[in-house]
Amino acid sequence: NAGVTQTPKFQVLKTGQSMTLQCAQDMNHNSMYWYRQDPGMGLRLIYYSASEGTTDKGEVPNGYNVSRLNKREFSLRLESAAPSQTSVYFCASSDWGPESEKLFFGSGTQLSVL
Amino acid sequence: GQQVMQIPQYQHVQEGEDFTTYCNSSTTLSNIQWYKQRPGGHPVFLIQLVKSGEVKKQKRLTFQFGEAKKNSSLHITATQTTDVGTYFCAGGNNRKLIWGLGTSLAVNP
Repeated sequence: NAGVTQTPKFQVLKTGQSMTLQCAQDMNHNSMYWYRQDPGMGLRLIYYSASEGTTDKGEVPNGYNVSRLNKREFSLRLESAAPSQTSVYFCASSDWGPESEKLFFGSGTQLSVL
Repeated sequence: GQQVMQIPQYQHVQEGEDFTTYCNSSTTLSNIQWYKQRPGGHPVFLIQLVKSGEVKKQKRLTFQFGEAKKNSSLHITATQTTDVGTYFCAGGNNRKLIWGLGTSLAVNP
């Protein structure tokens, strides 16, 4: 099993460009998440999907959109990238909700917006 | 709002010394999870504590959950260079996971 797979691993964008980060899990998990990690800020939840067909805003949703394409896949879209979105992005999944289930993380996407 | 404070932010130790990181929540937690992130890596789940006063051990790592379920600690005995990384606590509350900012551990050989 691959676990949680994120693509791409690295990306450089110019301000105003758009892009989609892809995430897929093969553990048949119901819940999926997108986090960003910045130095000194820890992990901040952008969006999550508690189950297929549902998505909810997290702590820092502005400037992002998500799609839960099916049970396996959860994508994160930046419509008009800004330098403030330079960060490391992690996708994660869990069997059910985050409160009682451990999270499995992907290897991350390092995004730079110039 | 709900917060989980984690201290210290950084810790440098000599190999063989002990290390402890602490998490304190402003609210009662349903459970607490601990994760380790190696430099350049992703967070990896270590353990989950659910019961008041619970203590769990994994080899040289000892995890505790406070009686009031508002605080937790991770203690590493006799650190090794393989322990290098950032340790995060994350508290479960009201169907959410509240993350501490992590403690970065450096180990001098």
